[in-house]
Amino acid sequence: DAGVIQSPRHEVTEMGQEVTLRCKPISGHNSLFWYRQTMMRGLELLIYFNNNVPIDDSGMPEDRFSAKMPNASFSTLKIQPSEPRDSAVYFCASSLGALGINNQETQYFGPGTRLLVL
Amino acid sequence: LAKTTQPISMDSYEGQEVNITCSHNNIATNDYITWYQQFPSQGPRFIIQGYKTKVTNEVASLFIPADRKSSTLSLPRVSLSDTAVYYCLVGALNTGFQKLVFGTGTRLLVSP
Repeated sequence: DAGVIQSPRHEVTEMGQEVTLRCKPISGHNSLFWYRQTMMRGLELLIYFNNNVPIDDSGMPEDRFSAKMPNASFSTLKIQPSEPRDSAVYFCASSLGALGINNQETQYFGPGTRLLVL
Repeated sequence: LAKTTQPISMDSYEGQEVNITCSHNNIATNDYITWYQQFPSQGPRFIIQGYKTKVTNEVASLFIPADRKSSTLSLPRVSLSDTAVYYCLVGALNTGFQKLVFGTGTRLLVSP
């Protein structure tokens, strides 16, 4: 398997522009996660999908951020409008099942998208 | 929501054993403890996971005391390639709204 695939790997945009990050989870995995990593805040969970349904989006910073998972093999994270403080590395991860007490599920991370908003 | 605390950095030499401790005083009954490794420009990679006592796999051991308020990742005989950031992650997601929280991570530097 190719692992979790993210695109683009790098994105440079200007403040106010719309940014769309894409993720293809590992085939057969039922859970998908979007994370953001910065030097100041570390690695933060933004949103978690299980079976294409958003389960926890409490980490989404504000209304400018939205995420969708139209099918089991594709998810997007959109920022509209983007701001310089959104500059970070955004990771997508997937796991085979839901992370519950009886499920010792490992998260598999993609290579990340490095976003720079000027 | 279990907050974790780890040392910011550690230094070691090749061939030595490294122990990284993570504090998670507010760990919940349902929470698992997971450790991830991250190299520069890569996403985190799973190392080991446990719930209580001791877990060992081909790369590391995880020691969890009875009260589960801390855990220790043990890397036997580290090499230069073990230089990375190590994250302690505590939490589980179910149908509720618990949030997985990565700690600040421990930057391990292995020298020759």
